[in-house]
Amino acid sequence: EADIYQTPRYLVIGTGKKITLECSQTMGHDKMYWYQQDPGMELHLIHYSYGVNSTEKGDLSSESTVSRIRTEHFPLTLESARPSHTSQYLCASSGVGTAVNEQFFGPGTRLTVL
Amino acid sequence: QKEVEQNSGPLSVPEGAIASLNCTYSDRVSQSFFWYRQYSGKSPELIMSIYSNGDKEDGRFTAQLNKASQYVSLLIRDSQPSDSATYLCAASGGSYIPTFGRGTSLIVHP
Repeated sequence: EADIYQTPRYLVIGTGKKITLECSQTMGHDKMYWYQQDPGMELHLIHYSYGVNSTEKGDLSSESTVSRIRTEHFPLTLESARPSHTSQYLCASSGVGTAVNEQFFGPGTRLTVL
Repeated sequence: QKEVEQNSGPLSVPEGAIASLNCTYSDRVSQSFFWYRQYSGKSPELIMSIYSNGDKEDGRFTAQLNKASQYVSLLIRDSQPSDSATYLCAASGGSYIPTFGRGTSLIVHP
């Protein structure tokens, strides 16, 4: 079944730890995105990728990094987590054809840094 | 600066009524428009896409687009309490990245 998967769904971690948020999709999409969203607030684009070995920073300055080694996989890494990183992280993908700009979102990872 | 503007609400409607959600966009080259529904604590879910002027209907939902006025709307007929959520409007132009509005909170009360 075509879908977008994010793991973990919830993560509580201490300050200074390195974390990687996983995102995988079986939608057959070439474009993938990471958004950050605080409760009740707007979406902020932090990273995007148009294909393998292509990554760009988004509108919101972020201390995270991403990689795109495989089309279906777009992990996000925080080298040293801080309480200010506490937020919901949403992965999305978009595809091909006439619906090329339709973004589909994964379930999200809720990150709490103590 | 591309902008998508939405009234934050909340918009409160009684069950069974028509809910009307509105959105304006600033980038005239925008060609694709989307409505997402987001329940509290959940991720956005795409419910409607519209690409040409006029109306597009899907079940209880109707999206309306007026490019001359740079205006997009979403009508929800026979509103149900389960429609209570935040509705995000998004517009996309030359790039693959849509610009999202801040969302309108809809409350459907029994």
